[in-house]
Amino acid sequence: GESVGLHLPTLSVQEGDNSIINCAYSNSASDYFIWYKQESGKGPQFIIDIRSNMDKRQGQRVTVLLNKTVKHLSLQIAATQPGDSAVYFCAEESNYQLIWGAGTKLIIKP
Amino acid sequence: DAEITQSPRHKITETGRQVTLACHQTWNHNNMFWYRQDLGHGLRLIHYSYGVQDTNKGEVSDGYSVSRSNTEDLPLTLESAASSQTSVYFCASSKKTNTEAFFGQGTRLTVV
Repeated sequence: GESVGLHLPTLSVQEGDNSIINCAYSNSASDYFIWYKQESGKGPQFIIDIRSNMDKRQGQRVTVLLNKTVKHLSLQIAATQPGDSAVYFCAEESNYQLIWGAGTKLIIKP
Repeated sequence: DAEITQSPRHKITETGRQVTLACHQTWNHNNMFWYRQDLGHGLRLIHYSYGVQDTNKGEVSDGYSVSRSNTEDLPLTLESAASSQTSVYFCASSKKTNTEAFFGQGTRLTVV
């Protein structure tokens, strides 16, 4: 399958604990932000998005927080499960294009 | 079910050859994108299209071209493949800007 980066920032979390993945974005004018999950050998898969007029949005077991003051985005995963193991990317929409971060690898410890 | 498919999944080609990667979506989305993904990097935009006959250059467009003759397809062509173009290529589509994009499974291209 297709592999993703081997030298990504890594977050190790105990199964059942909450995970927090952080992301800094670059353009203060960006008005749309999105989190994707990429499992080994697969294309990125949408998790959750947020627009700049919001500071928090919740989905099923996931919450995205947006701090426009410091240009920071975070993804919180509640009760992390083995199936959450993947690389997580944040992206910002700027000039009608998505600008992607480098990704964070989430490892779940049994 | 609607989907987005890429072909081939794996390709090995020689330096200097022309290569075309196919992308086909059945969502009737206006927007289509091509990205490359290299070890230790996120996705970098190569080309994108907002509709039939519309194409635009992305961040890393040199050495690549696309055409959009219909809604469903956005083939990516490497005019003269180079070793620096060895990568995993992802195609994506979205209904409009500021909405989620759906990705294909990727094509691993090796240029030798």
